[in-house]
Amino acid sequence: NAGVTQTPKFRVLKTGQSMTLLCAQDMNHEYMYWYRQDPGMGLRLIHYSVGEGTTAKGEVPDGYNVSRLKKQNFLLGLESAAPSQTSVYFCASSSAYEQYFGPGTRLTVT
Amino acid sequence: KNEVEQSPQNLTAQEGEFITINCSYSVGISALHWLQQHPGGGIVSLFMLSSGKKKHGRLIATINIQEKHSSLHITASHPRDSAVYICAAHTGANSKLTFGKGITLSVRP
Repeated sequence: NAGVTQTPKFRVLKTGQSMTLLCAQDMNHEYMYWYRQDPGMGLRLIHYSVGEGTTAKGEVPDGYNVSRLKKQNFLLGLESAAPSQTSVYFCASSSAYEQYFGPGTRLTVT
Repeated sequence: KNEVEQSPQNLTAQEGEFITINCSYSVGISALHWLQQHPGGGIVSLFMLSSGKKKHGRLIATINIQEKHSSLHITASHPRDSAVYICAAHTGANSKLTFGKGITLSVRP
């Protein structure tokens, strides 16, 4: 099993550009999450999903959209990137309590 | 005030020392996680506990539900234990976690 994978691992965007981050899990988990990690802030929840076709806002959802069309995939979109979105993004999946994290995507917006 | 607080923020130890990292929380929880993140690396779950104590190798995690406090102990510390240790609490529905800011541990040889 690959566990939780994220694509891409690194990306540099210019302000105003758009992109989509892909998270995939092969553990048949219902719950999936997108977090961002910034120095001195800890992990913060952006959006999450409790099952295929569902999404919900987390702590810091502004500027991001998500979709969960298939159970195994959770997409995070940035429609118009801003320098404040420079961060490391982690995806995670969970069946109940234990969360499994992806390797992270380092995004820089210039 | 953060719902999950960790102390100390940074910690330096000599190889072989016994290390304690603390986590306190201000809300009701159903479970608490300890996570490890090496520099530039991913996040790995070390423990999930809702009561008592768990041990894995040189790592021991304890939780006191009444005092809303958990500790992670590292015995016979080694430079490879250098990492960020994050405490996270299950505070509500949908398996969502509330994270502490993490503690950066550096173990010197």
